[in-house]
Amino acid sequence: DTEVTQTPKHLVMGMTNKKSLKCEQHMGHRAMYWYKQKAKKPPELMFVYSYEKLSINESVPSRFSPECPNSSLLNLHLHALQPEDSALYLCASSQVSPEGPQHFGDGTRLSIL
Amino acid sequence: TQLLEQSPQFLSIQEGENLTVYCNSSSVFSSLQWYRQEPGEGPVLLVTVVTGGEVKKLKRLTFQFGDARKDSSLHITAAQPGDTGLYLCAGAPGSNYKLTFGKGTLLTVNP
Repeated sequence: DTEVTQTPKHLVMGMTNKKSLKCEQHMGHRAMYWYKQKAKKPPELMFVYSYEKLSINESVPSRFSPECPNSSLLNLHLHALQPEDSALYLCASSQVSPEGPQHFGDGTRLSIL
Repeated sequence: TQLLEQSPQFLSIQEGENLTVYCNSSSVFSSLQWYRQEPGEGPVLLVTVVTGGEVKKLKRLTFQFGDARKDSSLHITAAQPGDTGLYLCAGAPGSNYKLTFGKGTLLTVNP
């Protein structure tokens, strides 16, 4: 069982909808990440939170809005997405060390109609 | 320019065969990680190599970190269908939280 829990596992939404992806970890990690992954490709970093503060935004379009309500939770708010945003969205967490291993959730499979 | 060059990108072999996956860079990494991702799941950490020249074994998997800490390899002995998945090498070359991934090796082991 993965120690990083993501919900929902699957999400289908229209381009005008607003939805949120959720991620939770209880390992005491103080760094949390959002990645986007296309089929058979490596994960692409979107955002990094360190001590609940946004530390890295990889020039992600504003239709993706991250939020870190506390050290265990990470949300990704979605609005007005495009079909090309269809992908697997992975959450990960790690100790506060840039070289430490990251623990991934199983992702949310997002489809934009 | 890809910071971590991983090869091969695709590999389809028969059960029982051996294989090696390579991860190369022109940059020095303080450590490299190997992950395996199975369909429908997130990547799972297999190993972290830290010391130049280090060799780590995980059952039938052998991981090496180059002496200069610029490259790493993953060798699987007597592959099994359960080894099928996307193998990713990753490293953090800088002092931030960005993990750089190789392009991945999609391994299929046929029964």
